[in-house]
Amino acid sequence: ELKVEQNPLFLSMQEGKNYTIYCNYSTTSDRLYWYRQDPGKSLESLFVLLSNGAVKQEGRLMASLDTKARLSTLHITAAVHDLSATYFCAVNTGTASKLTFGTGTRLQVTL
Amino acid sequence: DVKVTQSSRYLVKRTGEKVFLECVQDMDHENMFWYRQDPGLGLRLIYFSYDVKMKEKGDIPEGYSVSREKKERFSLILESASTNQTSMYLCASSAVSNDYGYTFGSGTRLTVV
Repeated sequence: ELKVEQNPLFLSMQEGKNYTIYCNYSTTSDRLYWYRQDPGKSLESLFVLLSNGAVKQEGRLMASLDTKARLSTLHITAAVHDLSATYFCAVNTGTASKLTFGTGTRLQVTL
Repeated sequence: DVKVTQSSRYLVKRTGEKVFLECVQDMDHENMFWYRQDPGLGLRLIYFSYDVKMKEKGDIPEGYSVSREKKERFSLILESASTNQTSMYLCASSAVSNDYGYTFGSGTRLTVV
């Protein structure tokens, strides 16, 4: 059974600081997805990582994938309050593009 | 603007009622999914469909059924609602390749009383 683990589960950080969220998964997969969820809202796609070594960046967020280590990271640079949300990683198990989601990392950026 | 539309944002139903949650996508996607989201448990897959009239059980199908009569519409049915089905329900769709990931609907918060 595929397990997807994120850490930390909760992260409180000050504006301007850097931090990394980690996503580990238990079986072979070459695709990984990151989503953002604002309170009371649905999930919004952030990054799609389709191969080993893939790196994507958007604004203050950068995601990378190491399929050999079964690890993806979401790096936050110089955090701002608007980045406060819950971030999910998800791994493709191959069956009809079925995704298994991590438990999420709730990020709170304080002023 | 491409969309996945869920028919209700909030729903309150009584125990034992039959409940229909509707989801429609306009992206011509082959795959459609129903998840439920609960605090501390993340997103759990209930059912998915990769073609019209096809369906597959996810991780927690008990107490649910689905219907996909047309490509754009995927319905989740709670045969006899129970209080432990109070949750946020999220519908999503994707292309076969899933190169762009899922597009999610806005969610339905269902309360069973």
